[in-house]
Amino acid sequence: DGGITQSPKYLFRKEGQNVTLSCEQNLNHDAMYWYRQDPGQGLRLIYYSQIVNDFQKGDIAEGYSVSREKKESFPLTVTSAQKNPTAFYLCASSDWGNQPQHFGDGTRLSIL
Amino acid sequence: QKEVEQNSGPLSVPEGAIASLNCTYSDRGSQSFFWYRQYSGKSPELIMFIYSNGDKEDGRFTAQLNKASQYVSLLIRDSQPSDSATYLCAPYVGGGGSQGNLIFGKGTKLSVKP
Repeated sequence: DGGITQSPKYLFRKEGQNVTLSCEQNLNHDAMYWYRQDPGQGLRLIYYSQIVNDFQKGDIAEGYSVSREKKESFPLTVTSAQKNPTAFYLCASSDWGNQPQHFGDGTRLSIL
Repeated sequence: QKEVEQNSGPLSVPEGAIASLNCTYSDRGSQSFFWYRQYSGKSPELIMFIYSNGDKEDGRFTAQLNKASQYVSLLIRDSQPSDSATYLCAPYVGGGGSQGNLIFGKGTKLSVKP
């Protein structure tokens, strides 16, 4: 089945630690996105990528980093510089242009 | 600042009634509009999209778009308890030749009472 796979489902971060969230898609989509959702809030864009080896900052990129070495993969690293990382992280992908985005099941990140 | 406004709710309707969810947006350049449903603790799932002014129907769902008024709505006919969720409105804003993005509202929480 085609879809977007995020892992792990739950993740715990210690102080000063970087953690990486995985996102893989087999929909052959060009564009991929990372969002953060806090309780009772909408989705805020962290980073997005149109094509391999290219990505742009979204509205809240500070404390995060990404890479896009393969079309299928768009991992997100939450660095120790992100002081309030507890949130629900959602990865999405879409065809290029004016097309709907499809979401993975998300990763919940918490602080230990 | 591009903004999307939705009534946070909760919007409570009885089973079988019509639920009406509204959304206004600030960017006149928005080209298309997407409605997502998000159950508590789950990720958003696409339920409707509309590109042109007017109505678009898909089963029990109807999306209505008025670009002049910068207003988009979602009607759910014959509401069921399983429709109880948060509904997110998301206009697409083009990137001027680059990939654009969806701007998400905070969502309206719908509760359908049996």
